[in-house]
Parts: sequence; C-alpha cells; structure tokens
Amino acid sequence: DTAVSQTPKYLVTQMGNDKSIKCEQNLGHDTMYWYKQDSKKFLKIMFSYNNKELIINETVPNRFSPKSPDKAHLNLHINSLELGDSAVYFCASSPMAVSTGELFFGEGSRLTVL
Amino acid sequence: AQTVTQSQPEMSVQEAETVTLSCTYDTSENNYYLFWYKQPPSRQMILVIRQEAYKQQNATENRFSVNFQKAAKSFSLKISDSQLGDTAMYFCAFAPINNDMRFGAGTRLTVKP
Repeated sequence: DTAVSQTPKYLVTQMGNDKSIKCEQNLGHDTMYWYKQDSKKFLKIMFSYNNKELIINETVPNRFSPKSPDKAHLNLHINSLELGDSAVYFCASSPMAVSTGELFFGEGSRLTVL
Repeated sequence: AQTVTQSQPEMSVQEAETVTLSCTYDTSENNYYLFWYKQPPSRQMILVIRQEAYKQQNATENRFSVNFQKAAKSFSLKISDSQLGDTAMYFCAFAPINNDMRFGAGTRLTVKP
C-alpha cells in the first residue's frame, strides 16, 4: 500500500485553466505539506498544514490554495494556471506537528502548462 | 534565513569506489535535524540517512555515512562501494525544531560502470 499517494501523476493543461492535485496519506500523520520542484530540481515548500494551522510560504501566489477535507487529505487547487506553474508538485507528510523527523513523500505530480 | 548549500551540482564515481557529497547549512538554531534524500529518475524522494544535531556520533546506514561537523555547519554524505543504482539526485535537507524542512539545490550523482 502506498503511504502517500498523489493523483494525477501527470497533468497537461492550457494556460488560464483551473486544476487540482489530490493527496492522501494513510500513515496517520498530523502534518501534510506541498512542495514544488522546478525544472532545475530545486525543492521549495509551498504549504504546511496540521489540521489546525495552515502555514503559507509568502512567495506562493494566491492562485494556489490547499484544501484539507480531513486529516488524511491535502489537495492543491491552482487557479488561472500560468506557464511558470509547470513543475513537479510533491505532497509529503510527517508524524508530528513540527518537522522533527522524516518527511514521507508522494511520487510527485508533473504539471505541464501549455 | 536558514539556507542549505550543496556546492557540487554534478559528480561522478566509478562503480565500487567511494564518493563524498558536500552540504553546508546556515542557522542560529542549536537543535535541528539533517537529512540526505535520494531522487532517482523515477522521481520518488527516498530518505537515505538522518542525523540529530544533538548527537555527536555520525549516522551510518549500510554503505551510507555522514560526516557531521556541527561547529562548521557541515553535513557531508559518503557513499562507499558505489553501485549503479546509486545514480540519482541527492538532496541535503535541514529541519529546525518547530519549522519546516528546507532543501539544498541537489547534487546529480552518476555511477559509471
């Protein structure tokens, strides 16, 4: 069973569209994250969420919004997609509200905006 | 700001030989965690090894070991007896207590047969 799963794995879409990437973890972890990996492989945190508190990286455009229906899910919604949004998006989870240990990553979702 | 620097964008090593990947970080924190993650072409992020800053002993996981120099804020990864399957991007990561994990820019390692 996959511990952290993301769907879709690949997404190709046109500029201006709205899309979502879903993430689910079955590890019982308290905190979930979204990271963006750009074309140069640089990993940058976008959000962290632990059921009570959403922490947003201030550099993330407000076109990006996380939605958590429950503790096991943290979906990423992106409005009005732009070319620069093309990247691989990783969902991750950790067992504690603070990052004191390992992050468990999903397989990534490659988003291509045309 | 807490930053992680990997000064080697690319490295290569012959199969069965040893290679060391460098990582330095900048922080004013005293307690934190350090990690090395591996990202093969499959793009899955895989934890290789972790180190708690309060432990002086260097972490070891089979062929992987670290040289943790807290005063120098250095955290290098040594891979012994390199295997073809070690070919991947390697990311150094820093996680202070009560804060989120930050990654270096990565080192692309190629193991040559």
